[in-house]
Amino acid sequence: GQQLNQSPQSMFIQEGEDVSMNCTSSSIFNTWLWYKQDPGEGPVLLIALYKAGELTSNGRLTAQFGITRKDSFLNISASIPSDVGIYFCAGQLWGNQFYFGTGTSLTVIP
Amino acid sequence: EPEVTQTPSHQVTQMGQEVILRCVPISNHLYFYWYRQILGQKVEFLVSFYNNEISEKSEIFDDQFSVERPDGSNFTLKIRSTKLEDSAMYFCASSEGGGPADTQYFGPGTRLTVL
Repeated sequence: GQQLNQSPQSMFIQEGEDVSMNCTSSSIFNTWLWYKQDPGEGPVLLIALYKAGELTSNGRLTAQFGITRKDSFLNISASIPSDVGIYFCAGQLWGNQFYFGTGTSLTVIP
Repeated sequence: EPEVTQTPSHQVTQMGQEVILRCVPISNHLYFYWYRQILGQKVEFLVSFYNNEISEKSEIFDDQFSVERPDGSNFTLKIRSTKLEDSAMYFCASSEGGGPADTQYFGPGTRLTVL
């Protein structure tokens, strides 16, 4: 299957700090998505990206679809305790099959 | 707000037994999916389903797996003869359309434990 590598694997930050994480792949994807997963729950879509170079915001979240279509980053500004969770990127090659990344675990220290 | 629901939340079974995981997708959605997440690992696509047939499946979705929409509301995943390595969270998802712009909404998952 396709490999999507996320970095960092985990982050421990102070409340109020900005966060940046990214996702890379050896394959070119048509769509990139960012999901957040809280413990014991299913992933929830945060941001979807459809065009190379696209920069999209959703509140304090900003994500960009890399020009090469092989990478994406997610930034969270002014982190708050409820940002805690695991963030997954997901890429779509064709059809409706998405490949998920390895995840970045975020811990926000109040 | 409409949501995807899944039952049971936790299923414990003996190796070799059959299990059926149930999902009720969002009512006006036409595309349905199953994903698997082994503890501590990434979410993996298993299968997508549209118009009463499988539209895509991954290499994980072998002959021991099957999906069905037995009625107008339920979508099920059957694992015929469970193995220890089938222990995982299984997520159902649904979307209105099947294109990249169609958001897939995930259910809360069923934790399957195979002993």
